[in-house]
Amino acid sequence: AQSVAQPEDQVNVAEGNPLTVKCTYSVSGNPYLFWYVQYPNRGLQFLLKYITGDNLVKGSYGFEAEFNKSQTSFHLKKPSALVSDSALYFCAVRGDYTNAGKSTFGDGTTLTVKP
Amino acid sequence: SQTIHQWPATLVQPVGSPLSLECTVEGTSNPNLYWYRQAAGRGLQLLFYSVGIGQISSEVPQNLSASRPQDRQFILSSKKLLLSDSGFYLCAWSSGLMNTEAFFGQGTRLTVV
Repeated sequence: AQSVAQPEDQVNVAEGNPLTVKCTYSVSGNPYLFWYVQYPNRGLQFLLKYITGDNLVKGSYGFEAEFNKSQTSFHLKKPSALVSDSALYFCAVRGDYTNAGKSTFGDGTTLTVKP
Repeated sequence: SQTIHQWPATLVQPVGSPLSLECTVEGTSNPNLYWYRQAAGRGLQLLFYSVGIGQISSEVPQNLSASRPQDRQFILSSKKLLLSDSGFYLCAWSSGLMNTEAFFGQGTRLTVV
């Protein structure tokens, strides 16, 4: 079985400050990890993914994420937050043995960036 | 490029009425297709997935069903809606490769009254 935990329902940061949205996972085999963003009443948009290789992954809109195998974490980061980054963020995991490419999603973290 | 279309965007239906939500994908062949439900703007619950025409797997017992009559068409249905069927429904597709992300439609806001 695979699972994802996003321990924070809400993250608040001031514009210009760094942000971190946390994610830990559990999966059989090698993990494939993803971050998505959702704006109100819209579908999810892909931000970035970790498949293999460099533990620091860079994605869209200046976001990056760090894969830490020993801590089974994949935290999303951005050096300088923008008000427009305010949205709902989902972490997702898929394992080597996952049937049909199904991903398991976390419950989401609402990021609010204040001016 | 690949695109995914999901409609309608919003739907208000009375209890006991039927439901049909449609999702189509363009620009790819033999995609894996998924229906998710999102309650109260939070986590996603996988309802159905399909790896090919006519192949449907259900993840949770419920009042809904899914069908895949064509390679790039995925339909979510109900014969009689319940109040508890209200929610935000998302269609998604991914390739058959494990290392690829999913692509989501814009979602359907279903309100059962």
